[in-house]
Amino acid sequence: GDSVTQMEGPVTLSEEAFLTINCTYTATGYPSLFWYVQYPGEGLQLLLKATKADDKGSNKGFEATYRKETTSFHLEKGSVQVSDSAVYFCALSGFTGGGNKLTFGTGTQLKVEL
Amino acid sequence: EAGVAQSPRYKIIEKRQSVAFWCNPISGHATLYWYQQILGQGPKLLIQFQNNGVVDDSQLPKDRFSAERLKGVDSTLKIQPAKLEDSAVYLCASSRYSNQPQHFGDGTRLSIL
Repeated sequence: GDSVTQMEGPVTLSEEAFLTINCTYTATGYPSLFWYVQYPGEGLQLLLKATKADDKGSNKGFEATYRKETTSFHLEKGSVQVSDSAVYFCALSGFTGGGNKLTFGTGTQLKVEL
Repeated sequence: EAGVAQSPRYKIIEKRQSVAFWCNPISGHATLYWYQQILGQGPKLLIQFQNNGVVDDSQLPKDRFSAERLKGVDSTLKIQPAKLEDSAVYLCASSRYSNQPQHFGDGTRLSIL
């Protein structure tokens, strides 16, 4: 079945440092790929998405490129802020007969310090 | 537009009791999802509705969990009887159509004593 593997956290960075959170996936067909962010006590918010190979999703300074050859969708940001502290989830969307089902990774907690 | 509304935010019950959660999706969203998020894990899909019909309930423990969306808008998820391993955050999400991005509510945190 479909699966998503993320690097384990927590990841602790100083403000303005470069961020990479690795994500690889296993899926049949051609899934869409997503990054969601979850702030403490809140639900998940869609951060960015890519629907086909070589697409680059971007939002709020975050970027991720859909790499079919390496089955990866790594999240990057050039300069993190304290406000970026949250849990980040990589997910893929696979069609299941009646609709799209999201399969999530286990999440990576990011802590940004001054 | 208003987001996905869930209630209650928190619930504490003893094992073997019953509990129900409510979700009101974004207006006009035909697809509604319930996820279970256990501490330290990613959300896991329990059930997906398209309007008032069930699309996927393959991971719903049907001996104790039930869900309905009678008029194709609001939905309720029930657990009866609850077990200790049901302690989790229950997230509701909706999308305009099944191939559109999902929007999540803030969830209900359930603690079983």
